[in-house]
Amino acid sequence: DQQVKQNSPSLSVQEGRISILNCDYTNSMFDYFLWYKKYPAEGPTFLISISSIKDKNEDGRFTVFLNKSAKHLSLHIVPSQPGDSAVYFCAASAGQGGKLIFGQGTELSVKP
Amino acid sequence: NAGVTQTPKFRILKIGQSMTLQCAQDMNHNYMYWYRQDPGMGLKLIYYSVGAGITDKGEVPNGYNVSRSTTEDFPLRLELAAPSQTSVYFCASRETGVPDTEAFFGQGTRLTVV
Repeated sequence: DQQVKQNSPSLSVQEGRISILNCDYTNSMFDYFLWYKKYPAEGPTFLISISSIKDKNEDGRFTVFLNKSAKHLSLHIVPSQPGDSAVYFCAASAGQGGKLIFGQGTELSVKP
Repeated sequence: NAGVTQTPKFRILKIGQSMTLQCAQDMNHNYMYWYRQDPGMGLKLIYYSVGAGITDKGEVPNGYNVSRSTTEDFPLRLELAAPSQTSVYFCASRETGVPDTEAFFGQGTRLTVV
């Protein structure tokens, strides 16, 4: 049973435009949500997070929005740059130990 | 400036063979994790540890074992390799279990079982 879902396997965006990556979850006990970025042949790297008590968190070009009633979060990248081309994973955390439950990932391609 | 180091980077195993995937971190982190990533899928938690001598199962522990005798090292053992264990394995560590503290990942070990 997939508790964290990213239904779009891929997304293509023009440089300078907005990229919107979506994530849905089923477990209302999740208390933190995180986005990780992964380049080929590398491990994931942390990008941005949001607590379940907030609905928005911003860090430079990256903003994460959380809609708890819809159990949905999204990552906005504005403006998108070719270097943003990577696989983006949504992850959620609940309980002790800092365990993360990951979505399947969305491959973002930003074209010049 | 090593962070999390995984060895080997690549390995081909025959069915039934055993091996240990090594993971070491130099950040003095208490929390360490092993994930596997199958093609087109997200990362699945295999085992985790909250400190030396303490380990616990994740989502997909069957076929694996771990130990944590030191803070730095968290090896993952495959006893009888099966084709279903073909995957990319990632080790990660974080300073605390607080969810928004950054988890640092190694570069991964690509394992193929034939």
